[in-house]
Amino acid sequence: NAGVTQTPKFRVLKTGQSMTLLCAQDMNHEYMYWYRQDPGMGLRLIHYSVGEGTTAKGEVPDGYNVSRLKKQNFLLGLESAAPSQTSVYFCASAYRVRVDAFFGQGTRLTVV
Amino acid sequence: GQQLNQSPQSMFIQEGEDVSMNCTSSSIFNTWLWYKQDPGEGPVLLIALYKAGELTSNGRLTAQFGITRKDSFLNISASIPSDVGIYFCAGQQTSNTGKLIFGQGTTLQVKP
Repeated sequence: NAGVTQTPKFRVLKTGQSMTLLCAQDMNHEYMYWYRQDPGMGLRLIHYSVGEGTTAKGEVPDGYNVSRLKKQNFLLGLESAAPSQTSVYFCASAYRVRVDAFFGQGTRLTVV
Repeated sequence: GQQLNQSPQSMFIQEGEDVSMNCTSSSIFNTWLWYKQDPGEGPVLLIALYKAGELTSNGRLTAQFGITRKDSFLNISASIPSDVGIYFCAGQQTSNTGKLIFGQGTTLQVKP
């Protein structure tokens, strides 16, 4: 039982490049989330999904897209990376009727 | 976007001392959570609070859901070096999405 697994753990991108962050959970959770963490800002919600095939915008969605084609996977895409997207990205998942979200270990992304 | 105000931002204490931190908001929350994040890891849930006035303990940790539903407190008794990390409060307003709003975090350092 791996919990929530994020791939990759580290990445350096050049401005304008694209990439996809993968989140996989093996707990059969309905809800999945992508957060970004910046110094002094806490965690801010980018996008979330309440079930397979559904996604919704969070607090800071601009510049990101997501897809939830399978219940266990939630993908975060950056189409044209910008230096402002340098951050640590966390994926989380939760059961529908519970609030205690389980977090992955994070992806540290640097855009130069 | 909506924010939770968490204080203090950082604390540097002696091993054995008690620690208090709090989180306030201008809005009402239905659920309050407290997470701890170790360096290089994702946040891990410490305590979840579901009712106004609720007081819940987890070992040396005690958290309370404020009566007004606009604040929450976390106390750590007899701190030890492994308590070092960043502590986040998080609030949930609606249960149908599981979305959490996070405070900015309190960085705790413990001197042996």
